[in-house]
Amino acid sequence: AQSVAQPEDQVNVAEGNPLTVKCTYSVSGNPYLFWYVQYPNRGLQFLLKYITGDNLVKGSYGFEAEFNKSQTSFHLKKPSALVSDSALYFCAVRDMRNFNKFYFGSGTKLNVKP
Amino acid sequence: EADIYQTPRYLVIGTGKKITLECSQTMGHDKMYWYQQDPGMELHLIHYSYGVNSTEKGDLSSESTVSRIRTEHFPLTLESARPSHTSQYLCASAADRESGEQYFGPGTRLTVT
Repeated sequence: AQSVAQPEDQVNVAEGNPLTVKCTYSVSGNPYLFWYVQYPNRGLQFLLKYITGDNLVKGSYGFEAEFNKSQTSFHLKKPSALVSDSALYFCAVRDMRNFNKFYFGSGTKLNVKP
Repeated sequence: EADIYQTPRYLVIGTGKKITLECSQTMGHDKMYWYQQDPGMELHLIHYSYGVNSTEKGDLSSESTVSRIRTEHFPLTLESARPSHTSQYLCASAADRESGEQYFGPGTRLTVT
C-alpha cells in the first residue's frame, strides 16, 4: 500500500527559530512527494514537490524540504519561522500505479509563538 | 491564488434532503477531485475525473455521485443527506502534467441535522 505518515499532530516553535515538520512515506518505486498548507477556513495550497533530482527542494514562503531515500522521509523545513506560518501542513504522495490518485497524511498543526 | 471555486461555502440542511455541491475551475485542467475532510484531519478521496465524461470512485466509500459534462465543472450530489455526511468537502484540480500538483478550492462545510 502507498501512504505517507506525519508522526506529529502538532509542532510548537518560537518565532525566528528553525522549524521542521516530519513526513515519512511508503511507496513502491520512486515517489512523487508534495507538501501543502491549509490556513483556517481555506482550501489547501501547494508549497513544494519532489519528483526527481536534487534532494533539497525549495518552495513557496521560504519553505524547503529534504528528500531522504534511505530514511524514506520528506521533512518540511524553514530556517526562521514566522507567526504567519501557523497553519495545518499536509504531506502527500502520488499513487505510482494510478497517477490520478494521491494519498495525504493526517496533517500537522504548526504553532509559531511570538 | 488558484482559480477554483466552490459553492456554497457553508450549508446546513435537514436529513433526507438532496444537495449538490458545486465546483468550477477556470484553468482548463483535465483532472478534478473531491475529497472529504473532517476538521483538522486527513483528506480522503471520494471521487475523481480524468476529463469530460470520465469519473471514478476514490478510496473512501461514499453515497455521493459526481458528473463531468464540462471540463470546468465537477458537481457532487448527495441524493439523501444524513448526519454522517457532516464534513468538509474539498474540490481540487490538476493539470495533465507528470508532476500533477493539485489546486484546491476553499471547501464546503456541510452540516446535516
